[in-house]
Amino acid sequence: GDSVTQMEGPVTLSEEAFLTINCTYTATGYPSLFWYVQYPGEGLQLLLKATKADDKGSNKGFEATYRKETTSFHLEKGSVQVSDSAVYFCALKDFGNEKLTFGTGTRLTIIP
Amino acid sequence: GAVVSQHPSWVICKSGTSVKIECRSLDFQATTMFWYRQFPKQSLMLMATSNEGSKATYEQGVEKDKFLINHASLTLSTLTVTSAHPEDSSFYICSARVGLHTGELFFGEGSRLTVL
Repeated sequence: GDSVTQMEGPVTLSEEAFLTINCTYTATGYPSLFWYVQYPGEGLQLLLKATKADDKGSNKGFEATYRKETTSFHLEKGSVQVSDSAVYFCALKDFGNEKLTFGTGTRLTIIP
Repeated sequence: GAVVSQHPSWVICKSGTSVKIECRSLDFQATTMFWYRQFPKQSLMLMATSNEGSKATYEQGVEKDKFLINHASLTLSTLTVTSAHPEDSSFYICSARVGLHTGELFFGEGSRLTVL
């Protein structure tokens, strides 16, 4: 079955540091890949997505590239801010399937 | 973006009682809503898919008589945990889809249930 493995947290970084949160996946078909973010007290929000191999999703300075050869979709940001503190979830959705499969989430804390 | 609201945000109940959690799409109509459960340090697990006006589709291993789902209108789905026990304590999250099959999902803020 489908599964998503993401970097365990928590992750603590200083402001302006470079961020990478690793995510790898296993899927039977041709999945779309997503990163969701959950800020304190709020629901999950779609951060970015990619629907096919080599696509790069980007939003709010975050990027992730769909790497089929390594089955990965790592999240990166060049310079994090305190406001980026949140829980980040990697997820996939197989083509023709409504179901989203999530990773365990990575809590990110940015200190000034 | 679209707003999905859950109520209550947290609830504490005694063992054996039933608890209802509401999920509302505030500014759009949602023909399909999803209910997830999240245990500490684990991923969100899909419990069921709720379609307006029809019976929910439950994932394997989820007791449909334990977790009653009703989607009576295009803006409201409810999850009732019946005869709750401490092992039902968890974080329950709903999401709603805008449009049909390829629509974006919007998530509620979650409801934390603690059963004493």
